[in-house]
Amino acid sequence: NAGVTQTPKFQVLKTGQSMTLQCAQDMNHNSMYWYRQDPGMGLRLIYYSASEGTTDKGEVPNGYNVSRLNKREFSLRLESAAPSQTSVYFCASSTGTAGANEAFFGQGTRLTVV
Amino acid sequence: GDSVTQMEGPVTLSEEAFLTINCTYTATGYPSLFWYVQYPGEGLQLLLKATKADDKGSNKGFEATYRKETTSFHLEKGSVQVSDSAVYFCALSDTGFQKLVFGTGTRLLVSP
Repeated sequence: NAGVTQTPKFQVLKTGQSMTLQCAQDMNHNSMYWYRQDPGMGLRLIYYSASEGTTDKGEVPNGYNVSRLNKREFSLRLESAAPSQTSVYFCASSTGTAGANEAFFGQGTRLTVV
Repeated sequence: GDSVTQMEGPVTLSEEAFLTINCTYTATGYPSLFWYVQYPGEGLQLLLKATKADDKGSNKGFEATYRKETTSFHLEKGSVQVSDSAVYFCALSDTGFQKLVFGTGTRLLVSP
């Protein structure tokens, strides 16, 4: 029972480079999310997908793009990385239904942009 | 928009002390409320939840009651252990159940 799997776990990028963070869940969840976690800021929602084929902006979407490839996979792309994007990124999924919308999280990706 | 406010940390306690971490929320409609815990180097894990007013969520000795009249969901534990040292996040799920909003987290440090 893998749950939510994120890759990679660690990454160092140079300013201006691009990369894609991958996320997959095996719980047949409808909703998937990308958050970033910064000291003193808690978790801030970057993008979310309420169902396959839909994506919506969260609190801090600038500089990111997402793709809900299918029901299992939700990727986050940084087109031109900036030092301000140094953070820990978490993918999560949930059923998206009433009374049972708790989120399950991946282990996180620690990204450093130099 | 929806938001969650929780007390700043760190909260420092001795083992077996009583714990309260305050959480209040702003939301339209009737959100579900959650407490998550994050141990060092790990992702967040659900600790407990409540889906309607006056519900009490409980797990591992922690509990929290959904108080609609005060828009609060305070986390309590009667006797903390060193192993409870972690960061605790209060969160809500909007009425449309489409996204989760988190507070900034409260670090708990328990000393022997």
